[in-house]
Amino acid sequence: EVQLVESGGGLVQPGGSLRLSCVASGFTFSSHWMTWVRQAPGKGLEWVANIKQDGSEKQYVDSVKGRFTISRDNAKNSMYLQMNSLRVEDTAVYYCGSGLGWIFDFWGQGTLVTVSS
Amino acid sequence: DFVMTQSPDSLAVSLGERATINCKSSPSVLSSRDNKNYLAWYQQKPGQPPKLLIYWASTRESGVPDRFSGSGSGTDFTLTISSLQAEDVAVYYCQQYYGSPLTFGGGTKVEIK
Repeated sequence: EVQLVESGGGLVQPGGSLRLSCVASGFTFSSHWMTWVRQAPGKGLEWVANIKQDGSEKQYVDSVKGRFTISRDNAKNSMYLQMNSLRVEDTAVYYCGSGLGWIFDFWGQGTLVTVSS
Repeated sequence: DFVMTQSPDSLAVSLGERATINCKSSPSVLSSRDNKNYLAWYQQKPGQPPKLLIYWASTRESGVPDRFSGSGSGTDFTLTISSLQAEDVAVYYCQQYYGSPLTFGGGTKVEIK
């Protein structure tokens, strides 16, 4: 059974940092693109970042460039999102997803990040 | 960047009736290289992650009921639920994956009338 499990969310003050993790099982992790998508409370879906199978390509939405870093460790079947200089507007549920290309067909249940003083 | 505009924002349909959701992309998501439309549809129920329904604009994901269908090309796309069931109450999103940044439409909430 394919599973993606996110962790690392929580409450952080503006300007603070968090590192999200996504652990995969049930499929060949190293063969899949991985993505982070977020959803602010009561709002729609917003794509955050993608990373290629071998980590050689990464893309980010403009609003997080220079603050967030996506990475992966294929030996650990894991993907990460290092979030620095967090802002109130980064408050959201963060979902990780996987796909053979940029069509993401498996998703985790999400982890909530709250940025507030 | 690609801008995805969905309409309507919400719709209420009777059980067994047809629901139609529209999505416009600017610019086109049709690739001249492979003649494919780089457009997907997702369903999201409250408290759940998105679920892929349709990709390449009209290819149904494995396990998705055949009452869900996608159509369109270039800049105009439609998701149709041919006979609405109670379990289809959800928010539906279109998304382009032609280029980065990947972008979603604003979502369409489908309810039972």
